[in-house]
Parts: sequence; C-alpha cells; structure tokens
Amino acid sequence: QVRLVQSGAEVKKPGASVRVSCKASGDIFSSYYMNWVRQAPGQGLEWMGTINPSRYTTTYAQTFQGRLTMTRDTSTGTVDMELISLKSEDTGVYYCVFGMDVWGPGTTVTVSS
Amino acid sequence: SSELTQDPAVSVALGQTVRITCQGDSLRDFYASWYQQKPGQAPVLVMYNKNSRPSGIPDRFSGSTSGDTASLTITAAQAGDEGDYYCGSRDSSGKNYVFGAGTKVTV
Repeated sequence: QVRLVQSGAEVKKPGASVRVSCKASGDIFSSYYMNWVRQAPGQGLEWMGTINPSRYTTTYAQTFQGRLTMTRDTSTGTVDMELISLKSEDTGVYYCVFGMDVWGPGTTVTVSS
Repeated sequence: SSELTQDPAVSVALGQTVRITCQGDSLRDFYASWYQQKPGQAPVLVMYNKNSRPSGIPDRFSGSTSGDTASLTITAAQAGDEGDYYCGSRDSSGKNYVFGAGTKVTV
C-alpha cells in the first residue's frame, strides 16, 4: 500500500512561482514514476509530467515546457513540482500520482492578484 | 493522436448496467486505465490493463478493449457509483499520458 502526503494550499500572485511537495511512503519499490496531474475548477484532468526519482529522469507535457520543473530529494523521499510565471489559468488542484495508480489528496493552488 | 474521446454524460437506473467508452488511436497500442472521481475528492483508479481491478474495487466493474475503443462496464449500478469517470492512457508516442474529458455517471 502506497500513501502520498502533499504540501498545503498556496495562494500566489500572477507572475510568481509555486512549489508543491509530495512524500510517498509504504510499498515503494526502488524504481517508480511519480506523475503530476492538474485539475482546474470544474474541469477535467490534465497530465503535467512525470519524474523517475531513482534515475532522476523527467518528461514534461508540451503545455508546460519551460515553466515546469520536477525534482526529488532522496534523503527525504520527497518529490517536488515547481511551476513558474503563474497565470490565473494555473488555478486548480494539483495531484501527485504514484505510477498512474495511487493519487495524493491534492494541493489547491490559487493564482489571483 | 493524443486525444481520448468520452461521452459527456450517461445515466443508469439503480441496479442496471451502464457502459462508458473511451476512443482514441493510442488505445490500439496502449491499455486504458479508468478513474472514478466523486465531488471534492481525488480520483481513484478503478480499472487498469484493460480488465484488472485494484484491491477494493468490486467486481461489478469490468473493462474491455476493442480496436481503438476501451470500455468500462458497471453492472448492478449503485448510488455510490455516481461520479465522473475518466479514461487515461499513453499517447501514440508513448512518452506522454493523456486523459479523456470525463463521463459524468448519474444513477
């Protein structure tokens, strides 16, 4: 059983950046992928990208190229997602997803002036 | 193609059977997964690898694939099955993941 804990809600101004953290625990094997998925208010799911923490490889969706960075801290077992140059359209709930199987509880990010 | 197409909404009577479909070119090469999302909650995986259910998902849920279309079937639908159902899969390149727009199921 894998459990995911995410950092708390954020409120940011347009142009700022946001970092959301995700910590996995439980039955984590040595090589896995952590994905990030965004959901705008009242909208569907949007895959943002993936990171393999052990190999430190990343793949980002074209939509987020240049604005998105995923990192990992092996000492804490945490994966972070940073999105820069925020716009109001970036408002939504950000989920980390282990594999594409287990979903974190989500982190609400609000971008507003 | 990187698109997965789902019907926006479907309704089913209590105890009856409903099938939700997801169509896309990439489904000829990659299996679809299905996610159930209830209001205010994170999505939950209910089907993967065409017809495999995670632990805790009742066998009233089943999956299938034919050509470029994946299906999720809910038999003996219950009120608790209401929610939005999203299909997801790799795109044709295999490098990215894509979701359908979701199907709202009303029981």
